[in-house]
Amino acid sequence: NAGVTQTPKFQVLKTGQSMTLQCAQDMNHEYMSWYRQDPGMGLRLIHYSVGAGITDQGEVPNGYNVSRSTTEDFPLRLLSAAPSQTSVYFCAAKKATGAGSPLHFGNGTRLTVT
Amino acid sequence: DQQVKQNSPSLSVQEGRISILNCDYTNSMFDYFLWYKKYPAEGPTFLISISSIKDKNEDGRFTVFLNKSAKHLSLHIVPSQPGDSAVYFCAASAIQGAQKLVFGQGTRLTINP
Repeated sequence: NAGVTQTPKFQVLKTGQSMTLQCAQDMNHEYMSWYRQDPGMGLRLIHYSVGAGITDQGEVPNGYNVSRSTTEDFPLRLLSAAPSQTSVYFCAAKKATGAGSPLHFGNGTRLTVT
Repeated sequence: DQQVKQNSPSLSVQEGRISILNCDYTNSMFDYFLWYKKYPAEGPTFLISISSIKDKNEDGRFTVFLNKSAKHLSLHIVPSQPGDSAVYFCAASAIQGAQKLVFGQGTRLTINP
């Protein structure tokens, strides 16, 4: 049981390039989300999904797209990378949409945009 | 607008003593509060949570206290151990907005031998 798996672990992009950060979970959890972590800012929610075919925006969605075609996968797409998107990205999943259920995080993708 | 705030970026505590990490929030609609621990190059891991209908929750060496009137919560670790050195995030969510877990900025705890 791997939990939440993120690939790649590290990525360097040039401004304007596009890429997809992969996230897969084997816990059969309905809810998945993407956060970015920046120094002094904590973790900020980018997009989330409460089930296959359903996605919604979080606090900082601009410049990112998501889709949820299966329960297991929740990829994050950067359409045209900008230096402001340099960050550590975390994918997370949880069992139910209840407010008290904890999120299980992957180990992150460190992205640098030059 | 930072709804969840951790005003201390860092805290240093001697091994065996109590560590107290603080968190303030502004949204009175929050129903649950969670603490996460994060080691370098790893994702955050869930530590302990508390419902807004309680004022204390304990799990081994970890206790979380909630003061709703002051919109303040704290995490107590006693006794502190070297393995507790990590970044601690406070987070909050509301039942109506259950999908959105809001995080504080984090506090780096260092336990000194």
